[in-house]
Amino acid sequence: AQTVTQSQPEMSVQEAETVTLSCTYDTSESDYYLFWYKQPPSRQMILVIRQEAYKQQNATENRFSVNFQKAAKSFSLKISDSQLGDAAMYFCAHTGTASKLTFGTGTRLQVTL
Amino acid sequence: GAGVSQSPSNKVTEKGKDVELRCDPISGHTALYWYRQSLGQGLEFLIYFQGNSAPDKSGLPSDRFSAERTGGSVSTLTIQRTQQEDSAVYLCASSPRVAGRGETQYFGPGTRLLVL
Repeated sequence: AQTVTQSQPEMSVQEAETVTLSCTYDTSESDYYLFWYKQPPSRQMILVIRQEAYKQQNATENRFSVNFQKAAKSFSLKISDSQLGDAAMYFCAHTGTASKLTFGTGTRLQVTL
Repeated sequence: GAGVSQSPSNKVTEKGKDVELRCDPISGHTALYWYRQSLGQGLEFLIYFQGNSAPDKSGLPSDRFSAERTGGSVSTLTIQRTQQEDSAVYLCASSPRVAGRGETQYFGPGTRLLVL
């Protein structure tokens, strides 16, 4: 069974600074996909970034980038130039042979002035 | 285009009553998923529909839970004889391609269910 672990229940970052959210996972599959989703108070899950495990290159989307360490089964999210609108719950997720997503427990990110 | 929509947004019911939650996926998306988000259990997979294939019901917590997808589009999640532990946010997601694996899932705003 796949598991996803987010060890940081809460993180805080000052506006314009950089923050890294941690995620580790466990899987026996060689072909899988990893995601970071953002959930603001509106409840709607929004995709932040997607990584294909067979690609060594780390995915990047504007201010968001990942550090994908396949051997260590680590998938951290870096948010650069943090903005007030980045405040939300962030969920790391995995999908493999089964199409369902397995989520971590989430990290609540606060952005301060 | 329109995203995934869910109704109702909020639902309050009494213990023992049946409830139906509706999901309208993005037009043309062949895969549809239901998840449950609760304080105690986090985000859990419930059921997955892919095209005309038999659904993956492996996440349904009990036989009080069922779901159907009519015409490959709209889905209804039904909870019979609701219990207080069913209180949660029920999230629906859809994804575009038949293959399903690794495709981005697009989520709706969820239905918050409160069982009194």
